[in-house]
Amino acid sequence: AQSVTQLDSHVSVSEGTPVLLRCNYSSSYSPSLFWYVQHPNKGLQLLLKYTSAATLVKGINGFEAEFKKSETSFHLTKPSAHMSDAAEYFCVVISSSGSARQLTFGSGTQLTVLP
Amino acid sequence: NAGVTQTPKFRVLKTGQSMTLLCAQDMNHEYMYWYRQDPGMGLRLIHYSVGEGTTAKGEVPDGYNVSRLKKQNFLLGLESAAPSQTSVYFCASSYGLAGGGYNEQFFGPGTRLTVL
Repeated sequence: AQSVTQLDSHVSVSEGTPVLLRCNYSSSYSPSLFWYVQHPNKGLQLLLKYTSAATLVKGINGFEAEFKKSETSFHLTKPSAHMSDAAEYFCVVISSSGSARQLTFGSGTQLTVLP
Repeated sequence: NAGVTQTPKFRVLKTGQSMTLLCAQDMNHEYMYWYRQDPGMGLRLIHYSVGEGTTAKGEVPDGYNVSRLKKQNFLLGLESAAPSQTSVYFCASSYGLAGGGYNEQFFGPGTRLTVL
């Protein structure tokens, strides 16, 4: 079985300050991990993905995430928040030994960026 | 290249009515998926398909049926709508599993369904 926990349902930061969105996972197999972003009334867009290559993954719009197996974490960070980063973010874990149905979404973190 | 499209964008149904949501992709993807999104619950997989003519149940399949008669289309049906099916429905597609990793899912813009 696998699961993913996004530790904060809401995060609020000021523009220009760092962003940290936390994600912990559990998986019986070597996982693939993703972060998606959803802007209001839009579909989900892939930010970045980890698939057992480099543990520090760089994504679009200045976001990056580090896979830490010992901590079973895959936290999303950005050095400096921009107003356009305000959105909902989803951490997703996939079991690489499973089929397409072994896909689990976190409950989401709503990011607010204050001027 | 339109990516993944969904029809309709909005719909209001009365309890007991039926409807079909259409998902289309023009990327020649093998895998297609239907999810529902509810507040505080992330996305949950309803049904998926690993190729034309195939379908399989996901996490929350009850009350829904699907069909994949053509590779590019994946239909989600509600035979007798219930208020519990009020949700935002997302379709997605992907090339499928490759090399032990997982290919990116491309999502449609969503369908907002309200059942009264």
